Amino acid sequence: AQKVTQAQTEISVVEKEDVTLDCVYETRDTTYYLFWYKQPPSGELVFLIRRNSFDEQNEISGRYSWNFQKSTSSFNFTITASQVVDSAVYFCALSEASSGGGADGLTFGKGTHLIIQP
Amino acid sequence: IAGITQAPTSQILAAGRRMTLRCTQDMRHNAMYWYRQDLGLGLRLIHYSNTAGTTGKGEVPDGYSVSRANTDDFPLTLASAVPSQTSVYFCASSPDPSYSILNEQFFGPGTRLTVL
Repeated sequence: AQKVTQAQTEISVVEKEDVTLDCVYETRDTTYYLFWYKQPPSGELVFLIRRNSFDEQNEISGRYSWNFQKSTSSFNFTITASQVVDSAVYFCALSEASSGGGADGLTFGKGTHLIIQP
Repeated sequence: IAGITQAPTSQILAAGRRMTLRCTQDMRHNAMYWYRQDLGLGLRLIHYSNTAGTTGKGEVPDGYSVSRANTDDFPLTLASAVPSQTSVYFCASSPDPSYSILNEQFFGPGTRLTVL
């Protein structure tokens, strides 16, 4: 069965510090997708990134970067020079392709609450 | 409307009452989903639908039912609400359930339900 673990329940850092959110996943499939979503205090879920299992290239988008390592089943998310607006709950999620891709939905981790203090 | 809308935004409900949460999308997405979000548990899939006319059970389907009469609407019904169904409910959609197609999920704003 697929599983996503976000071991960090809450992280608090001071503005401008770098912070890494960990995500470890379990799946028996060779084809799968990994996602990160942000949930700000307003409550909506904001898509950040999708990565498929065949693409291990790290990705950078502004202050955000993602490190995908199949060898350790991890898909970690780093925010560089954090800002107060980055304060949110961040979810890592997994979708397996064997059941038809997104057909059975996403398996979410329990989320990491990131607090950026001014 | 653009994207996914959910109604109501919030609701307080007496235990034992029937309640339908509404979800409508205007993106012509084939797949739709219902999740519940509980503190410390993340989001868990309740039911899903690959296409109009088909539905399937997710991780926590008990006490809930869904229907998919058309592409746009995917209502979630609680036949007889219980306090453990107090949660925030999110509806989501994605363009196509097949893995060959990018399957990002788009989420609605959520419905906060309290069952007393």
